[in-house]
Amino acid sequence: AQSVTQPDIHITVSEGASLELRCNYSYGATPYLFWYVQSPGQGLQLLLKYFSGDTLVQGIKGFEAEFKRSQSSFNLRKPSVHWSDAAEYFCAVGPTDSWGKLQFGAGTQVVVTP
Amino acid sequence: GAVVSQHPSRVICKSGTSVKIECRSLDFQATTMFWYRQFPKQSLMLMATSNEGSKATYEQGVEKDKFLINHASLTLSTLTVTSAHPEDSSFYICSASGGTSTDTQYFGPGTRLTVL
Repeated sequence: AQSVTQPDIHITVSEGASLELRCNYSYGATPYLFWYVQSPGQGLQLLLKYFSGDTLVQGIKGFEAEFKRSQSSFNLRKPSVHWSDAAEYFCAVGPTDSWGKLQFGAGTQVVVTP
Repeated sequence: GAVVSQHPSRVICKSGTSVKIECRSLDFQATTMFWYRQFPKQSLMLMATSNEGSKATYEQGVEKDKFLINHASLTLSTLTVTSAHPEDSSFYICSASGGTSTDTQYFGPGTRLTVL
C-alpha cells in the first residue's frame, strides 16, 4: 500500500538552531516529492519539490531537502530556523503518471522557542 | 506566486442544510482543481479532482451525491456539502493547477465548516 510517513508529530527547536523533518514514503515507483508548509489562516505553500535530477533540492525560505532512493526518504532541512518558521509542515507524494493526486503525510508541527 | 482564494473562510450551519464553498484562481487559469478535507491534527485527504467543463472524479469512499463539485470556468470551482451533518464538520481546502504534468498546485487558505 502507498503511504507517506512523517514520524515526528511535533518538534520544538530553538531559534537559530538547525531543523530536520523526516519523511519516508512507500510507493510503487519513485513519485514526485513535495514539502509544503501550512500557517494558520494561510494556504499550503510549496517549499520545494523533487521530480528528477539532483537529489539535493533547494527551496524557498532557506529550506532544502535530500531525496534518498535507497531509504525512500525525502527529509527537509534548514540550517538556522527563524521564529517565523513555526508552522505545520507536510510531506507529499504524487504519481508521475497521474499528476496532482497528492498523498500527504500526517504533518509535523514545528515550534520555535526564543 | 499564483493566488487561490476560498470563500467563505468559516461557515456554521444547521444540520440538514447545504453549504457551498467557492474556490477561485485569481491570476491564472486553473485547468484542474482539487478538493481536500483535513481533520483536526490530521493530514489532508484528497476528495475529488475536477477538470473545467467535466464531471469531477471522486476518490474512493467519497460520496459524490453529498459533496457536489462544479468546475464551470477556468477560475472557479465550487464544493457543495448537501444535507450537512455534524460529521461533515471539517476543514476543506482546494487547490488549483494550470494543468501540465509538472505544474505546481496552489492551495487556497481553506474553509472551516461547522455543522451544528
